[in-house]
Amino acid sequence: SQLAEENLWALSVHEGESVTVNCSYKTSITALQWYRQKSGEGPAQLILIRSNEREKRNGRLRATLDTSSQSSSLSITATRCEDTAVYFCATPGGSNAKLTFGKGTKLSVKS
Amino acid sequence: GPKVLQIPSHQIIDMGQMVTLNCDPVSNHLYFYWYKQILGQQMEFLVNFYNGKVMEKSKLFKDQFSVERPDGSYFTLKIQPTALEDSAVYFCASSPRDWGYEQYFGPGTRLTVL
Repeated sequence: SQLAEENLWALSVHEGESVTVNCSYKTSITALQWYRQKSGEGPAQLILIRSNEREKRNGRLRATLDTSSQSSSLSITATRCEDTAVYFCATPGGSNAKLTFGKGTKLSVKS
Repeated sequence: GPKVLQIPSHQIIDMGQMVTLNCDPVSNHLYFYWYKQILGQQMEFLVNFYNGKVMEKSKLFKDQFSVERPDGSYFTLKIQPTALEDSAVYFCASSPRDWGYEQYFGPGTRLTVL
């Protein structure tokens, strides 16, 4: 069973629109990370949100965390073509920083 | 920003042969990781490594797999012998400390076992 997974396989928006990717997880967590993976590249961390935080921002990105429903969201405002990527949420597992990734949501931003 | 390098970017080998994947982590990082991603599937943790030792490994880290970082050089993943199911993209990552700190990923090595 997956510890973390995104709720949609793919999303498509037009440049300038806002979009939200959702993630659910199955265990209690100390923190959750959002990563982005562009084609041909490794994942890059976008936001780390801790269990005692409800919201965290990073430029056009905003992550929320709801520990009661074990869910998180990542919103991107004013999307750009370069935001086209697969977005993953990841949670820790084990005591030594093993990351468990969801399957990812593929976001396409069209001009 | 800090970059993790992986060599080679692509490797094609015959089943049963040995392969070594090389990772050049961020210079002041202490924790190192390998992840495996089969096309169309999620990335899965293989192993992490700290202070010269494997700290944790997953069920995917078979007996044919080994990791080392001799004398602070490349962090390597060796598979000997390879099997068809080892075909995947292997990502190396490093972090300055353990959980709660960003893991920096390399671009991956695409391994094809024929």
